[in-house]
Amino acid sequence: SQTIHQWPATLVQPVGSPLSLECTVEGTSNPNLYWYRQAAGRGLQLLFYSVGIGQISSEVPQNLSASRPQDRQFILSSKKLLLSDSGFYLCAWSSGRARVYEQYFGPGTRLTVT
Amino acid sequence: GDSVTQMEGPVTLSEEAFLTINCTYTATGYPSLFWYVQYPGEGLQLLLKATKADDKGSNKGFEATYRKETTSFHLEKGSVQVSDSAVYFCALSDWGNTGNQFYFGTGTSLTVIP
Repeated sequence: SQTIHQWPATLVQPVGSPLSLECTVEGTSNPNLYWYRQAAGRGLQLLFYSVGIGQISSEVPQNLSASRPQDRQFILSSKKLLLSDSGFYLCAWSSGRARVYEQYFGPGTRLTVT
Repeated sequence: GDSVTQMEGPVTLSEEAFLTINCTYTATGYPSLFWYVQYPGEGLQLLLKATKADDKGSNKGFEATYRKETTSFHLEKGSVQVSDSAVYFCALSDWGNTGNQFYFGTGTSLTVIP
């Protein structure tokens, strides 16, 4: 069966510091991968998605970036964090081969920028 | 473009009450429809799905029917429990130029009191 991991689970970082969040998927190949942000009490905002290694699409302008160095690894980064980057970050995957399959979500990373 | 609109919350019910959370959608193609549940501090879990008109998705006592004529996918449960307290997201998946596109509602918070 497929599983998705995210780490760290929680992170407290000062403004201006760098960020690296990692997501890995097991049990599937060529997945589509997604990064979402969820502000407190709010819905999901799609940040990035990837359909393959090195292929990243950005949905909103921001100081975050994403990379996909391996088929089942997706990394969210920032060179300098802002207070507004605080939130709950969710990684998700879906089948890259099917037309109408659902997304599966990781456990999330709670980021607090102080 | 595609979108999902779901009932504003929060919703507070007594245990064993009947639950309905409304969800309507706009789509250009033939989407699949989903309900996700998010417990505090966790990622989203797929609750149920329906892939074509008149399909009924069901799981853990929850049900939703894909109604193409009313573009709706309302979530229902006959008798809620305290453990059902969570945030519920309606979502759709549609096939676009870049593959599967996912759209989420803003979420509805449900609190069940004993």
